[in-house]
Amino acid sequence: DTGVSQNPRHKITKRGQNVTFRCDPISEHNRLYWYRQTLGQGPEFLTYFQNEAQLEKSRLLSDRFSAERPKGSFSTLEIQRTEQGDSAMYLCASSLGGPIGANTEAFFGQGTRLTVV
Amino acid sequence: AQSVAQPEDQVNVAEGNPLTVKCTYSVSGNPYLFWYVQYPNRGLQFLLKYITGDNLVKGSYGFEAEFNKSQTSFHLKKPSALVSDSALYFCAVRDFASGGSYIPTFGRGTSLIVHP
Repeated sequence: DTGVSQNPRHKITKRGQNVTFRCDPISEHNRLYWYRQTLGQGPEFLTYFQNEAQLEKSRLLSDRFSAERPKGSFSTLEIQRTEQGDSAMYLCASSLGGPIGANTEAFFGQGTRLTVV
Repeated sequence: AQSVAQPEDQVNVAEGNPLTVKCTYSVSGNPYLFWYVQYPNRGLQFLLKYITGDNLVKGSYGFEAEFNKSQTSFHLKKPSALVSDSALYFCAVRDFASGGSYIPTFGRGTSLIVHP
């Protein structure tokens, strides 16, 4: 399967614990995005990488959130000291940056559903 | 700044009838526009995009969308709905202005329910 892969699919954690999610993008894609989606809402942008460089972060991304993309391949999203409000679906997407009009759509993984109890 | 609005939380249509899911957008430059579909507990699947060229864009599963610059709209359409089309539909926009964002902004989604 050459799509975007996210692990784990589900995570239940106690409030105050740290969690880490992994995203493996489509192999030739240089752009990687993290979004958060809560029930009844569209995906909200969290952060974006071009290759290994983290170029943008939403103000939604508090200090408890950190993301990395070492070597410009897979990415991890860590949430420290989780809170109940962090419960959501965390979506990863990737796209191929290219000439104007080319390959601009983002392809999404199936997401990691986080439940903080 | 870029934004997108989906004015309907839910659209109900009978199987076999045409469907329309509405989307309007706001950008400072030229828009890249996208439609995605989401089935329960799944990620988003790309349906179609408008970059440039023909205002009528055809995509997956028989869906199409019409770009209307004067009305800043990009409505999703299908001539004959299927029960299996029932899902959440998201419109997204990227602003292709100079210095514009590479990051798509998504609408809140529209729940499409197709009745047998």
